[in-house]
Amino acid sequence: GQSLEQPSEVTAVEGAIVQINCTYQTSGFYGLSWYQQHDGGAPTFLSYNALDGLEETGRFSSFLSRSDSYGYLLLQELQMKDSASYFCAVRAGYSGAGSYQLTFGKGTKLSVIP
Amino acid sequence: EAGVVQSPRYKIIEKKQPVAFWCNPISGHNTLYWYLQNLGQGPELLIRYENEEAVDDSQLPKDRFSAERLKGVDSTLKIQPAELGDSAVYLCASSLLPSGGNEQFFGPGTRLTVL
Repeated sequence: GQSLEQPSEVTAVEGAIVQINCTYQTSGFYGLSWYQQHDGGAPTFLSYNALDGLEETGRFSSFLSRSDSYGYLLLQELQMKDSASYFCAVRAGYSGAGSYQLTFGKGTKLSVIP
Repeated sequence: EAGVVQSPRYKIIEKKQPVAFWCNPISGHNTLYWYLQNLGQGPELLIRYENEEAVDDSQLPKDRFSAERLKGVDSTLKIQPAELGDSAVYLCASSLLPSGGNEQFFGPGTRLTVL
């Protein structure tokens, strides 16, 4: 099976930078995704890393180190609207019915304060 | 382009009653997923469809849960009978690429409360 660890809560100041870490244990690893979910809303896709390194999309960046089974989401120039839960999710599996299964972490609740 | 549509948005029932949730995925998305999300937790996969075939239902409690995806488009998830522990948000998602791809598009979910 898979297991993921991420902090349960993070608080940061508007305009600042925050990093949300995710460590995972899995077999058949394909890649790491990040999703954002506002209270009462649907999870929305932010990024996907299959290879080591940093992927940048606007104010958000995501990093993966396959050898360390570790990744992080970096949010820059924080805005109040960034207050939400952020989930890392591992895409893993083998050929067959269970292939490419997406397993989510428990989420990190980010609070952005003025 | 319309997103994933789910109904109802909220449902309150008494235990032992049946309940059904409906999902209409994004047009052209052949892969459809049903997830369960408990408060403060991440989504947990219940079942995944490729077109009308359930290719991964290993996490679906088959004694009380059932799902169908007729014609490979809309899908229905049913619980019969519901138990108190089934109170959660039921999310439907779809993706363009088979076997998950990199991005899944989620609907707003159905919040189920079992009394």
